[in-house]
Amino acid sequence: EDQVTQSPEALRLQEGESSSLNCSYTVSGLRGLFWYRQDPGKGPEFLFTLYSAGEEKEKERLKATLTKKESFLHITAPKPEDSATYLCAVPDTGTASKLTFGTGTRLQVML
Amino acid sequence: EAQVTQNPRYLITVTGKKLTVTCSQNMNHEYMSWYRQDPGLGLRQIYYSMNVEVTDKGDVPEGYKVSRKEKRNFPLILESPSPNQTSLYFCASSQQGADEQFFGPGTRLTVL
Repeated sequence: EDQVTQSPEALRLQEGESSSLNCSYTVSGLRGLFWYRQDPGKGPEFLFTLYSAGEEKEKERLKATLTKKESFLHITAPKPEDSATYLCAVPDTGTASKLTFGTGTRLQVML
Repeated sequence: EAQVTQNPRYLITVTGKKLTVTCSQNMNHEYMSWYRQDPGLGLRQIYYSMNVEVTDKGDVPEGYKVSRKEKRNFPLILESPSPNQTSLYFCASSQQGADEQFFGPGTRLTVL
C-alpha cells in the first residue's frame, strides 16, 4: 500500500528562523510529488510539483527538493504569513490519477 | 475569475436523508476529484473523473456516488448519509491528471 508520511506534525518557529519539513513516501515508480499549502478553513493551494530526484523548485521563501525516498520543503527566514498546514501528495503506484496525501505539517511562525 | 465553487458550504442533516453537494469549475478542466478531510487522517480521495462520463474510485468511495455529465460539474451524492460521513469535503479540478489541482472552499457536512 502506498504511504506518505510527513514530519513533524507541528512546528513552531520564530520569525526568521529557517527550518525544513519532511515528506517521505513508499510509492514505487514515482510520477510526481506535489506540495500544497492549506490555511485554516480553506481549500489547499498548489505550491510545487517535483518529478525527479535532484529537482528543486522555489517560490519566495519556500524551496522544495526531491530525493528517491523523500522530499523536503525548506522555509528560509519565515514570516508569520507563512503559518499554514503544508501537505504533500503522490500519485498511486497503479493509477497516476489517484492521489495519496500525507497528514500535513502544521507550521506556526511567531513574531 | 478562475475558481471551483461548492454548494452548500455548510450542511447539517439527519441519517438517511439523501443529499447532493454540487461542484462546478470555470476553467474547462478535464480532471475533477472529491476529497474528505478528517482530523488525524488528512485528505482522502473519494472519487475522481478524468473527463465527461469517466469516473473512478479513490480510497474511500463507500457510501458515495458521483456523476460527470458535463465537463464543468461534478456533484457528490450521498444517498443514505450516516454519521461517519460527517466531514469536511473538498472538490478539486486540474487541466489534466492529478497535477496542480485547484481546490474549492470546502463543504462542512454534519450527519446527525
